[in-house]
Amino acid sequence: GENVEQHPSTLSVQEGDSAVIKCTYSDSASNYFPWYKQELGKGPQLIIDIRSNVGEKKDQRIAVTLNKTAKHFSLHITETQPEDSAVYFCAASSGNNNDMRFGAGTRLTVKP
Amino acid sequence: GAGVSQSPSNKVTEKGKDVELRCDPISGHTALYWYRQSLGQGLEFLIYFQGNSAPDKSGLPSDRFSAERTGGSVSTLTIQRTQQEDSAVYLCASSLNPGLAYEQYFGPGTRLTVT
Repeated sequence: GENVEQHPSTLSVQEGDSAVIKCTYSDSASNYFPWYKQELGKGPQLIIDIRSNVGEKKDQRIAVTLNKTAKHFSLHITETQPEDSAVYFCAASSGNNNDMRFGAGTRLTVKP
Repeated sequence: GAGVSQSPSNKVTEKGKDVELRCDPISGHTALYWYRQSLGQGLEFLIYFQGNSAPDKSGLPSDRFSAERTGGSVSTLTIQRTQQEDSAVYLCASSLNPGLAYEQYFGPGTRLTVT
């Protein structure tokens, strides 16, 4: 089955700096890669996703890149703000039945 | 519209007791998932329901764990003879069409503490 690894486990940046979180996956059949943000006391919420037919996707300050050959994908947050502080999870799925697997999470802290 | 709701939000129970956790998915979502999130850890898949198909129970950690989904809507996760290692946040999610890998919408979770 799919195995997703996520790094780093914790990340601290100064407000205004960029943050990058990286994930690798094992199943070459995976073709859907979502990123979730989990704030304290809440469930994870989708912030951006990418499918394997594209290499990059942007949404305002957030971007995700995908390298299918190397089986890794990354989340980039630019101009970070304190409200970006949360735990971020990556995931990978082939879209068949239920095979979505999540990374262990990255706790991002943005210092004002 | 209403999102995924879970109840209770917090549950404290004594070791050895049974607990039931409830999930109300988004109306019309055919897929429902249960995950366990231990302190500081990622999301551990437990069980998955899709329509009227047999559930995928491959993630259940032991036979003390079971789940039902009645009428294709509400789901209940039951943990029998709870142990301290069962302490975690239990998250439920629903999805419109899992076959196409759509977004999973998560509830706020139930924080279970076994004393």
